[in-house]
Amino acid sequence: NAGVMQNPRHLVRRRGQEARLRCSPMKGHSHVYWYRQLPEEGLKFMVYLQKENIIDESGMPKERFSAEFPKEGPSILRIQQVVRGDSAAYFCASSPTGGNTEAFFGQGTRLTVV
Amino acid sequence: GENVEQHPSTLSVQEGDSAVIKCTYSDSASNYFPWYKQELGKRPQLIIDIRSNVGEKKDQRIAVTLNKTAKHFSLHITETQPEDSAVYFCAASIDSGNTGKLIFGQGTTLQVKP
Repeated sequence: NAGVMQNPRHLVRRRGQEARLRCSPMKGHSHVYWYRQLPEEGLKFMVYLQKENIIDESGMPKERFSAEFPKEGPSILRIQQVVRGDSAAYFCASSPTGGNTEAFFGQGTRLTVV
Repeated sequence: GENVEQHPSTLSVQEGDSAVIKCTYSDSASNYFPWYKQELGKRPQLIIDIRSNVGEKKDQRIAVTLNKTAKHFSLHITETQPEDSAVYFCAASIDSGNTGKLIFGQGTTLQVKP
């Protein structure tokens, strides 16, 4: 059973471009979480999704950020018109049931905005 | 909302000594407290977790204690080894709404000196 897969592992974007980060949860997991980790900081919750539904987006910036988890395919975190402050590691985690069960993390996507 | 404070931010111990990392949380409704270990450039991995109906949990050299009254929980690592060197994050979660959203502490960088 492959773990949570994120791609790309590293992404470089110029200011103003769009960044698309992909997350394929573990097999059998239908709950996906996105977290952002700024350098030398903890992980900050961004959004929680189930298939085709956004359940909690309380940690998402109000503008430029969006997330989806379609019926088929990976979850996508999209950042439009990136700025230098968006440079961070973005981690996806999945769990089989949501709630207080173990969340399995992917390797992360390290976004660098130049 | 929930807030988790973690101390110390850095911890250096000699191999074989014990290490203790402490976290406090603000929301008394929190009922799930996982600890994650993150090696440099890698994904966070769950090492132990505890639920609010338990005061202590142990797994080989790792133990976690929870004091619900004081709203703090601690990670104890005994007989530390160089491979324990990593960043450790505590987290708290509230089960209401069954989201499983984790609020992380700021992290503790543990260095175990051979």
